[in-house]
Amino acid sequence: SQQGEEDPQALSIQEGENATMNCSYKTSINNLQWYRQNSGRGLVHLILIRSNEREKHSGRLRVTLDTSKKSSSLLITASRAADTASYFCATAPLGSGAGSYQLTFGKGTKLSVIP
Amino acid sequence: SQTIHQWPATLVQPVGSPLSLECTVEGTSNPNLYWYRQAAGRGLQLLFYSVGIGQISSEVPQNLSASRPQDRQFILSSKKLLLSDSGFYLCASRTGHGTEAFFGQGTRLTVV
Repeated sequence: SQQGEEDPQALSIQEGENATMNCSYKTSINNLQWYRQNSGRGLVHLILIRSNEREKHSGRLRVTLDTSKKSSSLLITASRAADTASYFCATAPLGSGAGSYQLTFGKGTKLSVIP
Repeated sequence: SQTIHQWPATLVQPVGSPLSLECTVEGTSNPNLYWYRQAAGRGLQLLFYSVGIGQISSEVPQNLSASRPQDRQFILSSKKLLLSDSGFYLCASRTGHGTEAFFGQGTRLTVV
């Protein structure tokens, strides 16, 4: 079942602008992760934020997590044409046992950066 | 880091034919392994995951099955493919529930 829901579904911006994508989820989580997928390829991990963290940075990426609202955002600053891809959030649930090893993805945001 | 080998990259199969997709992992031991399916322009649907040899959890009832005969080998199978089995199949590996996943390059399956 889908856990995360990204918003917007598609985003088109000019090179140099910032891109913000949002993710909402339903259940309590251990961590939330963001991935990137170039067309027709596998996913590449970008950043992981744990449930006790509120903000995390990696290069031009900034991720926030609000567990009270069950939401996260991914900000890409100073976007480049090479950032054009689909971006997915994924959640790892709290708990123990085999079920805690699930990793559930949202439907993704398709980002187009226009040169 | 881990390397996920997935093959073939593309596959065209007739309805009713069997399927076997293989995924192998390098660079770690005792990984948690996952099979996802992605419809065109859509998100990833978790099909199966495995926390150890012979341990398979299925997320959705379907025409597919999975097996894990070795620690770093995960196989997705079907006895008789349906048109609705078409899609992009991705294998992934994680070393624990607090870590990131590494993905293979995927198999594009078209059932005709």
